Amino acid sequence: EVQLVESGGGLVQPGGSLRLSCAASGFTFSSYWMHWVRQTPGKGLVWVSRINGDGRSTSYADSVKGRFTISRDNAKNTLYLQMNSLRAEDKAVYYCARLQLYNSGESAFDIWGQGTMVTVSS
Amino acid sequence: DMQMTQSPSSLSASVGDRVTITCRASQSISSYLNWYQQKPGKAPKLLIYAASSLQSGVPSRFSGSGSGTYFTLTISSLQPEDFATYYCQQSYSILYTFGQGTKLEIK
Repeated sequence: EVQLVESGGGLVQPGGSLRLSCAASGFTFSSYWMHWVRQTPGKGLVWVSRINGDGRSTSYADSVKGRFTISRDNAKNTLYLQMNSLRAEDKAVYYCARLQLYNSGESAFDIWGQGTMVTVSS
Repeated sequence: DMQMTQSPSSLSASVGDRVTITCRASQSISSYLNWYQQKPGKAPKLLIYAASSLQSGVPSRFSGSGSGTYFTLTISSLQPEDFATYYCQQSYSILYTFGQGTKLEIK
């Protein structure tokens, strides 16, 4: 079964750090771009970061650039999001998602993890 | 930045109804438009990709159309399991912007 399972969420104080993990199974992990998307009641679904198959290319939303780092370990079939200098506005459910590329050039997030909650509060 | 605007924000309908949700992009995105369904406490689920292609395993009562800046998601005959929140998303630019969502409720 194709599956993504996140872990690592929790409560952290402002300015603190947290590392999220996303374990992949059922597909050739290294062949896919992987993404992090977060969701809040106020701002809805917002793209956070992406990484290519070999881990050499990464991108970030402006709101997390310089604070979050995406990485992957293809030997362990695991995606990571290191979150530093956390702010109250980073509170969200964080999802990892697989990007499927189609022959026509379009793409979509076809597989999602179950989500992990991050709360930033003192 | 690219903006995706869905309408309506919420919609009440009955089982068996035909419903249409619209999504407008602030600039042309060709057919780089996806639709997702989300139920409470669950992750989004891909329904339609590339504006009109049905994701494997998704019932044929779901259909998508449009190109450029105007897109629609249609459910031809609502089933009880379809009551959920629906999101459009552009994959034209790296920000992969989502619409604000349309909550479909039972009348």
